[in-house]
Amino acid sequence: QKEVEQNSGPLSVPEGAIASLNCTYSDRGSQSFFWYRQYSGKSPELIMFIYSNGDKEDGRFTAQLNKASQYVSLLIRDSQPSDSATYLCAVNSSGGFQKLVFGTGTRLLVSP
Amino acid sequence: ETGVTQTPRHLVMGMTNKKSLKCEQHLGHNAMYWYKQSAKKPLELMFVYNFKEQTENNSVPSRFSPECPNSSHLFLHLHTLQPEDSALYLCASSQVGLAGGPNIQETQYFGPGTRLLVL
Repeated sequence: QKEVEQNSGPLSVPEGAIASLNCTYSDRGSQSFFWYRQYSGKSPELIMFIYSNGDKEDGRFTAQLNKASQYVSLLIRDSQPSDSATYLCAVNSSGGFQKLVFGTGTRLLVSP
Repeated sequence: ETGVTQTPRHLVMGMTNKKSLKCEQHLGHNAMYWYKQSAKKPLELMFVYNFKEQTENNSVPSRFSPECPNSSHLFLHLHTLQPEDSALYLCASSQVGLAGGPNIQETQYFGPGTRLLVL
């Protein structure tokens, strides 16, 4: 069973701090890695996409990928209360790039 | 309408009922998906359709029957469901490239979901 593991949290950070969200995956053949944000009662929305080792930055968000360690992370700089949500890590399966395997998500709480 | 829309947004049904969920994408994509999201569980892929053809059935029970009449519309027909089928059902769409492989354009975009309660 291909798995994606995330700490369920909640991860609590004060406003303005850096939030670090981590994800590990078991399928070594995975090529694409996604971070989605899901507010309570809402559907997931894409935050970041990465498929090369290293860092990818987009505004306050940085995704980090280490395929050797099968590890992907999301850093949120200058965290805002509006960032409070569940962050889902998704990894494409080696059995097909359209088959995304999701983690259970990490709940982030940013306090004012 | 923009993005991916789903109707109804909420549905309560008995175990003997038959109902259908509808999804429509306005993004010009050629692939559509059904996912199930249960409490405390990760999103589970149910079905994948590419160019109206089903390419993935993730061992979904036959009481869930998908239908994709064209690349913009996707249905999920429900019959004789069980209480454990209560969940958020999400539709997604993406643009699949001819070459395959990782591509930002192949990102899946989700609809708002249908919250289903089976009594």
